[in-house]
Amino acid sequence: DTEVTQTPKHLVMGMTNKKSLKCEQHMGHRAMYWYKQKAKKPPELMFVYSYEKLSINESVPSRFSPECPNSSLLNLHLHALQPEDSALYLCASSQQKVGGVGTEAFFGQGTRLTVV
Amino acid sequence: GDSVTQMEGPVTLSEEAFLTINCTYTATGYPSLFWYVQYPGEGLQLLLKATKADDKGSNKGFEATYRKETTSFHLEKGSVQVSDSAVYFCALSDRTNAGKSTFGDGTTLTVKP
Repeated sequence: DTEVTQTPKHLVMGMTNKKSLKCEQHMGHRAMYWYKQKAKKPPELMFVYSYEKLSINESVPSRFSPECPNSSLLNLHLHALQPEDSALYLCASSQQKVGGVGTEAFFGQGTRLTVV
Repeated sequence: GDSVTQMEGPVTLSEEAFLTINCTYTATGYPSLFWYVQYPGEGLQLLLKATKADDKGSNKGFEATYRKETTSFHLEKGSVQVSDSAVYFCALSDRTNAGKSTFGDGTTLTVKP
């Protein structure tokens, strides 16, 4: 199984709503990532989890709250978002070996989020 | 910090034309290099990779060679098809940086019949 599965595929939410994005992988990868991608732009890194601990937070606003319940799951909790947060949210995973070569990321299909 | 520079797009070609998309990088360490492809409405898929100097990555007729002396990883395909129309991202991953990837801005390729 070389898939990263994200749910839901599409999400429309109001600015006062609370919602969560979910991501799952069963490749035994110990690094998981959240990226935000605007149209015609490259993915922007938001968070990195390494061995289920948050290792990088790229100064993301607190209305985005990541969670890694176990080594296969990654959530992104959303609250009080703004219309400019509308984007494609991508989850990815990769092997992580200390001192090893940089490895490729496996991406999910993404959640298309629209904030109204 | 690490950075990746891709040739500016978009690129429009006729079917069976030769494709080159240029990519150069700057990295403090010794990175691995990747090309990802993104079809409309989808996530990114790994197209090919190279982990050390002079390695050639190849897949589906696409090729790229890791050139340390010129810090480049140009993508080539000898004969493009309409189905190759997509956005192509050059990226690097440095073993010292928690495995995070640094992406170029992407190049949109349109292949016309």
